Amino acid sequence: DSGVTQTPKHLITATGQRVTLRCSPRSGDLSVYWYQQSLDQGLQFLIQYYNGEERAKGNILERFSAQQFPDLHSELNLSSLELGDSALYFCASSSNTGRTDTQYFGPGTRLTVL
Amino acid sequence: AQSVSQHNHHVILSEAASLELGCNYSYGGTVNLFWYVQYPGQHLQLLLKYFSGDPLVKGIKGFEAEFIKSKFSFNLRKPSVQWSDTAEYFCAVNGAGGGNKLTFGTGTQLKVEL
Repeated sequence: DSGVTQTPKHLITATGQRVTLRCSPRSGDLSVYWYQQSLDQGLQFLIQYYNGEERAKGNILERFSAQQFPDLHSELNLSSLELGDSALYFCASSSNTGRTDTQYFGPGTRLTVL
Repeated sequence: AQSVSQHNHHVILSEAASLELGCNYSYGGTVNLFWYVQYPGQHLQLLLKYFSGDPLVKGIKGFEAEFIKSKFSFNLRKPSVQWSDTAEYFCAVNGAGGGNKLTFGTGTQLKVEL
């Protein structure tokens, strides 16, 4: 158990819909990262938040957005869903923003878009 | 942009065989290198990491990796694998200018047979 929790574990929805994925970081960690794992793209970095503020952005679609709340949990919002958005979405957390900080991963949310 | 290549996509070994998984990265500056493992149905876990110093890094569960700067490589090794090492292994890198987001390779699926 990494200490990072993600809900829900599985999500099945239809094209065009909007979903919210939730992540709670390890106790004391200030940074939260979102990654997408799909068969064709592999594991890709989406976005990072540090203490409530966006820190870095990767290959995140405009239909996707995220935020980190004062209690440090984070939510990833996916809207106008397409079949190609079906993937495993991982959240990770680290204590700070240092490049040597270990990122601890959650169990992931498996999103299926039908 | 930084990238990571893992050339072995699927590896099958017998118990007690030696393991070497290849990882090459492309980035000209200072890099930090990581190996993560994902056991079936579980989250990504850090096996080991390299930041600086001794290029031979020892991690958990008997794994080690060697950073060879001239070859842009960070291969993972284990002298004698066990059935419980069956998992997917990911090499990752973060580099200066890229923040501390991780860029992952495509992963190597290792199956250890009894």
